[in-house]
Amino acid sequence: QQQVKQSPQSLIVQKGGIPIINCAYENTAFDYFPWYQQFPGKGPALLIAIRPDVSEKKEGRFTISFNKSAKQFSLHIMDSQPGDSATYFCAARISGNTPLVFGKGTRLSVIA
Amino acid sequence: KAGVTQTPRYLIKTRGQQVTLSCSPISGHRSVSWYQQTPGQGLQFLFEYFSETQRNKGNFPGRFSGRQFSNSRSEMNVSTLELGDSALYLCASSSQTETGELFFGEGSRLTVL
Repeated sequence: QQQVKQSPQSLIVQKGGIPIINCAYENTAFDYFPWYQQFPGKGPALLIAIRPDVSEKKEGRFTISFNKSAKQFSLHIMDSQPGDSATYFCAARISGNTPLVFGKGTRLSVIA
Repeated sequence: KAGVTQTPRYLIKTRGQQVTLSCSPISGHRSVSWYQQTPGQGLQFLFEYFSETQRNKGNFPGRFSGRQFSNSRSEMNVSTLELGDSALYLCASSSQTETGELFFGEGSRLTVL
């Protein structure tokens, strides 16, 4: 049972473009939604996270948009750079001692 | 502060063998989680240990097991290896903050022939 559905599986954008990665969840008890970034040969690292009491959060060039009624959230990367090329994972959890549930990942390639 | 350390980084085994992977968490972190990463399935949760006790468990067969020591170091074991067990096994540690941010190691890449 996949609790967090992520799309697209892969994405290619030109430098300066705005890639958008989408995630949908089913469990309305989820109350913490992070995004992790993974470079080849490395483990995932926390990029940005949001709670459902806000609809948007920005950190530098990265923005999470959250739609509680639709049970969807997305990651936008402004002015994307080749250095942003990585695999991005959305995730969700219920606060407390519960495991983080990940989407299947999106491989992003930013070409110059 | 040193990050999460996993050993070995790469290993090759044959079907039917068993394997043990090791994880040293960030100093002060008492929670250690293990994930299996494969190209088709993404990151799948195996189990989490906190203070030497298994706190959460994912949907993996009993061939997958783990433990945690008093110094928070953790090991996972896979017995009777199958070809489908080939994957990157990631360990992550966390402190007991509200968000429980996971800090991942670089993983142990297991190939089963």
